[in-house]
Amino acid sequence: AQTVTQSQPEMSVQEAETVTLSCTYDTSESDYYLFWYKQPPSRQMILVIRQEAYKQQNATENRFSVNFQKAAKSFSLKISDSQLGDAAMYFCAYRKTGTASKLTFGTGTRLQVTL
Amino acid sequence: DTGVSQDPRHKITKRGQNVTFRCDPISEHNRLYWYRQTLGQGPEFLTYFQNEAQLEKSRLLSDRFSAERPKGSFSTLEIQRTEQGDSAMYLCASSLSLGAGGGNEKLFFGSGTQLSVL
Repeated sequence: AQTVTQSQPEMSVQEAETVTLSCTYDTSESDYYLFWYKQPPSRQMILVIRQEAYKQQNATENRFSVNFQKAAKSFSLKISDSQLGDAAMYFCAYRKTGTASKLTFGTGTRLQVTL
Repeated sequence: DTGVSQDPRHKITKRGQNVTFRCDPISEHNRLYWYRQTLGQGPEFLTYFQNEAQLEKSRLLSDRFSAERPKGSFSTLEIQRTEQGDSAMYLCASSLSLGAGGGNEKLFFGSGTQLSVL
């Protein structure tokens, strides 16, 4: 079975600074997708960024980028120029290719953004 | 496009009672998912529908749980004889899937129904 591990329960960053959230996963599959979701206090899960395992190039979305290390099974999220609105729970998730969106989530990292 | 709607937002019930939650997906979306999120954990997959067909159920979904999507639009999740362990947030998500593998499938989540079983 696939597992996703987020070892940082909480992180804090100052506004305008950069922060990196860690995620490792375990799978025997070679083709899969990895995701970072944001869950603000409104509870709605919002997709931040997605990475296909067959792509070597790291995904980027504006201030958000990932460092995907397939051999190490590591998938970290970097948030640049942090903003107050980035404060939320962040979940790393995995999905096997060729299946519906049956995501396996990690336990989350709570990100605080301070002035 | 009003997004995915879930009703109610909160539900408090006594152990042994039945509860039903409703999810209205984005109108053109053909897939609908239910996830459960307990305190301090990430969401866990429960079940999903393609149109009106329930295609997969997690082993987390015990006999007391039943989900329907009768006309391929809204869905209901019913829990019979609730137990304290059922206390959780129940999240619904929908997507437009154009292929069996769902390669570019993007999930849109609702804000969940928070269930408390006393």
